[in-house]
Amino acid sequence: GDSVTQTEGLVTLTEGLPVMLNCTYQTIYSNPFLFWYVQHLNESPRLLLKSFTDNKRTEHQGFHATLHKSSSSFHLQKSSAQLSDSALYYCALSDRNNNAPRFGAGTKLSVKP
Amino acid sequence: ETAVFQTPNYHVTQVGNEVSFNCKQTLGHDTMYWYKQDSKKLLKIMFSYNNKQLIVNETVPRRFSPQSSDKAHLNLRIKSVEPEDSAVYLCASSSWGGQNTLYFGAGTRLSVL
Repeated sequence: GDSVTQTEGLVTLTEGLPVMLNCTYQTIYSNPFLFWYVQHLNESPRLLLKSFTDNKRTEHQGFHATLHKSSSSFHLQKSSAQLSDSALYYCALSDRNNNAPRFGAGTKLSVKP
Repeated sequence: ETAVFQTPNYHVTQVGNEVSFNCKQTLGHDTMYWYKQDSKKLLKIMFSYNNKQLIVNETVPRRFSPQSSDKAHLNLRIKSVEPEDSAVYLCASSSWGGQNTLYFGAGTRLSVL
């Protein structure tokens, strides 16, 4: 079945440094839908960005990601981390068959001054 | 206000008891989901409904049973809770289609003593 693998555990960065959180996926479907959701402390997950188009960069709130079907990847990047970016980030996978989105294990990002 | 509303926010109970959680969405969506977020923050799909019809039923213990009266409401009953059921249960909704964004409620935190 479908699966999503993310950078494990905790990523700690100093404010101002670039962010890269890895996401790779496995699916039998040729047209996957990839999502990044962010969950801040004591809140629910909410969509950060999503993509369905191969090799097209998607941006939102300073973050960007590009779906690469050739490598089954959808890495999340930001050029300069802010303290407010500290949160739990989930990569999720869906498909045209309307299966419920499957989430990776989540990566906790901690940005320090 | 349009959103996904869950009740109760918290519930503490003892092993063997029955519990019920409610979810209502006012976003006009036709698809609703139950996800379980455990103590390690793993987010796993349990059930999804489209227009009151069960679409996804993951491998969950039979003591879990969802119910949907209409496309705006989705409830979850746990017949005889076990310690491993302690988690946050997140309700979400979306429009039908794998490319659509999930909107999450605030969650119900269940503690089984």
